[in-house]
Amino acid sequence: NAGVTQTPKFRVLKTGQSMTLLCAQDMNHEYMYWYRQDPGMGLRLIHYSVGEGTTAKGEVPDGYNVSRLKKQNFLLGLESAAPSQTSVYFCASSYSRDYRTDTQYFGPGTRLTVL
Amino acid sequence: GNSVTQMEGPVTLSEEAFLTINCTYTATGYPSLFWYVQYPGEGLQLLLKATKADDKGSNKGFEATYRKETTSFHLEKGSVQVSDSAVYFCALSPVMNSGYSTLTFGKGTMLLVSP
Repeated sequence: NAGVTQTPKFRVLKTGQSMTLLCAQDMNHEYMYWYRQDPGMGLRLIHYSVGEGTTAKGEVPDGYNVSRLKKQNFLLGLESAAPSQTSVYFCASSYSRDYRTDTQYFGPGTRLTVL
Repeated sequence: GNSVTQMEGPVTLSEEAFLTINCTYTATGYPSLFWYVQYPGEGLQLLLKATKADDKGSNKGFEATYRKETTSFHLEKGSVQVSDSAVYFCALSPVMNSGYSTLTFGKGTMLLVSP
């Protein structure tokens, strides 16, 4: 199993450009998440999905959109990139809906720079 | 709201030294508590977890005890190795009536171990 994979690994955008980050998991997990990691801020949840066709806002959703058309894929879109969106983006997935046993599995991250 | 506070780093130790990384939390009820580790250039991976008061999570020589009375989940290891150099994140998963969980992360503590 590949686990959680993310595409691309690195990307540089100019302000106003758009892009889509792809997350794929092969563990048949229902739940998927997008986080951003900034220095001194830890990880913050952008959006998440509790199943195919569903999405929900997390802590910092502004400027991002997501889609979960297939169970194994979770896409994060930036319609008009801004320098404040320079960050490392992590995707994660989990199987259990029980908060007591839930373990999130993370992808390797995408480093995005917006000039 | 929910929050996690970790000691600031970097924590710099010599090989075989004793490690403590402090973590305290704010949450209602009895959340689950986690320690995640991020090695350089990689995504986060679960190190250990505890789901109820007085539980001790352990893995790879690391331990943490869920202390409800002090709302703490301090990470310890008796003898660190150079390979333990990484960023360590404390996280909590709150009680969710809807049955799914999200993670609230601390800001992370960098550990640097020298030979």
